[in-house]
Amino acid sequence: DSGVTQTPKHLITATGQRVTLRCSPRSGDLSVYWYQQSLDQGLQFLIQYYNGEERAKGNILERFSAQQFPDLHSELNLSSLELGDSALYFCASSAPPGTADSPLHFGNGTRLTVT
Amino acid sequence: DAKTTQPTSMDCAEGRAANLPCNHSTISGNEYVYWYRQIHSQGPQYIIHGLKNNETNEMASLIITEDRKSSTLILPHATLRDTAVYYCIVRLRFYNNAGNMLTFGGGTRLMVKP
Repeated sequence: DSGVTQTPKHLITATGQRVTLRCSPRSGDLSVYWYQQSLDQGLQFLIQYYNGEERAKGNILERFSAQQFPDLHSELNLSSLELGDSALYFCASSAPPGTADSPLHFGNGTRLTVT
Repeated sequence: DAKTTQPTSMDCAEGRAANLPCNHSTISGNEYVYWYRQIHSQGPQYIIHGLKNNETNEMASLIITEDRKSSTLILPHATLRDTAVYYCIVRLRFYNNAGNMLTFGGGTRLMVKP
């Protein structure tokens, strides 16, 4: 158990809809990262937050947005969903910056199916 | 971050050591070598990381060459549960304004066979 909790585990929705994925980081971790993994594709970095502020953006679509709340949990919002958004979405967390050894620890993901 | 090169796939007999190589010839002095694995659509699992010295933990050993241009992850006694995709990643040692995410490549698909 990595200590990172993601909910829901599975989500099935229709095209055009909006969903919210939730992530609770490990206790004490201030950074949260979101990744997308489509079927048979690699892990693509989407976005990073540190202590409530956005710190880095990757290949995140404009239809997607995220935030990190004061209690450090994070939500990834996906809107105007398309079939191609079907994927596994992983959240990871890590210790505060400046820590020399700070691996990312990943949750078990949310499997999103858009029909 | 420096790019890494790994074999696409490898086989290993159960109970034998699995040696997974990784080339990172453009690594800088400010970059760690990290290893993760992903077992069939589960979340990536952290294995080990190192800067220049060899490292060992309960899961594996990491051997980094003296010039730091390549490394080998060693699973000493592979089991069927070690079948997974193994990722070698080079990551900045210190946080900067560009973030400190991990950039995953294709990895090595390790198949442990009975």
